[in-house]
Amino acid sequence: DVVMTQSPLSLPVTLGQPASITCRSSQSLVYSDGDTYLNWFQQRPGQSPRRLIYKVSNRDAGVPDRFSGSGSGTDFTLKISRVEAEDVGVFYCMQGSHWPETFGQGTKVEIK
Amino acid sequence: EVQLLESGGGLVQPGGSLRLSCVVSGITFNNYAMAWFRQTPGKGLEWVSSISQNGDSTYYADSVKDRFTISRDNSKNTLSLQMNSLRAEDTAVYYCVKDSLGPSPNYWGQGTLVTVSS
Repeated sequence: DVVMTQSPLSLPVTLGQPASITCRSSQSLVYSDGDTYLNWFQQRPGQSPRRLIYKVSNRDAGVPDRFSGSGSGTDFTLKISRVEAEDVGVFYCMQGSHWPETFGQGTKVEIK
Repeated sequence: EVQLLESGGGLVQPGGSLRLSCVVSGITFNNYAMAWFRQTPGKGLEWVSSISQNGDSTYYADSVKDRFTISRDNSKNTLSLQMNSLRAEDTAVYYCVKDSLGPSPNYWGQGTLVTVSS
């Protein structure tokens, strides 16, 4: 299985400041159709995961534009331009280019 | 509003069985493949099983293959997961998911807790 490694695992941030999470895959996530199936999810306390980003950099409907995704091959980044209180939770990267779909360990974002 | 409502979780002894159900509303259920994922504090998020739109194709994680069976009833907008020979390591919150890797929305239910313990 493809191993997804996130860093950091814990991220204390100041409100209004930027935040960045890195995700590295054990194999290239470029699929045979040329797309890269790398998603980002947010899980707020007590809630189910919610997808924020699909195919590296595409925001889902309703996701604030302060969230952005980038990367290619095996290295990917989720950035929050200005952290807000509602962003507290755990963020996961997930790959769908190789069977089975696999997730990173999660990065816990908390407010300092 | 899209809703995925799971039920059927609970406490079961090792070796026992449990059947999870998920009633889906707000989308045209038979247009989409569906999946079950699970989450534990130790192993995090894990894909468990998927089923095609008409139910003809099913897929399983190696950890549950030959023990779990996914099925769907498109006339009732219902997804199911029959879990047999349960083990302690199957203890998790199980989520019903309209899985999508592309622009089609990705939806998760609220989850149902399965605890395997004597």
